[in-house]
Amino acid sequence: GQNIDQPTEMTATEGAIVQINCTYQTSGFNGLFWYQQHAGEAPTFLSYNVLDGLEEKGRFSSFLSRSKGYSYLLLKELQMKDSASYLCAVRAHRDDKIIFGKGTRLHILP
Amino acid sequence: SAVISQKPSRDICQRGTSLTIQCQVDSQVTMMFWYRQQPGQSLTLIATANQGSEATYESGFVIDKFPISRPNLTFSTLTVSNMSPEDSSIYLCSVDGEEHFGSGTRLTVV
Repeated sequence: GQNIDQPTEMTATEGAIVQINCTYQTSGFNGLFWYQQHAGEAPTFLSYNVLDGLEEKGRFSSFLSRSKGYSYLLLKELQMKDSASYLCAVRAHRDDKIIFGKGTRLHILP
Repeated sequence: SAVISQKPSRDICQRGTSLTIQCQVDSQVTMMFWYRQQPGQSLTLIATANQGSEATYESGFVIDKFPISRPNLTFSTLTVSNMSPEDSSIYLCSVDGEEHFGSGTRLTVV
């Protein structure tokens, strides 16, 4: 079966750093995605990892370990607008559908 | 990357009626995917639409309830038929090889 796990909710303080973890068990692996989604809006693409290691993009970084079935999204210098849900998703096979985790709702406190 | 346009962006519908959602891509694509996101939930794939063949539905979704058309390589429609309040969701389309989604259709059934 296919399974993607991530925490349901997290809280962090404005200006701080937060790490959102994701573990997956899938029949194959052809890439891991992170999306940001504000309430009532479509998901916005943040990052894509297909090889092990850290990908940095501004305040956001994403890490992948394929051997461990593990990824994390790191958000630095948190801003109030970062309050959103963060979705971890995996494509098991090339040209196949993307399977989504249930999402992590991140609350930013002033 | 492809630009995906989706409409309507939102609608409020009476139960028992049907709504057709359109998804237009600015380049030719092989596969188009339709997702549903119920309130507070993650994205669930409804079906995959290939041009020139019947759509492939995921477990729990049937053609009578969610008929899909794929008349060419840049366009698809999803109809939500005989709606009930449980169909209130965000409906999203995406395309193969792309990490982006359309802007979504927020459907409320009353």
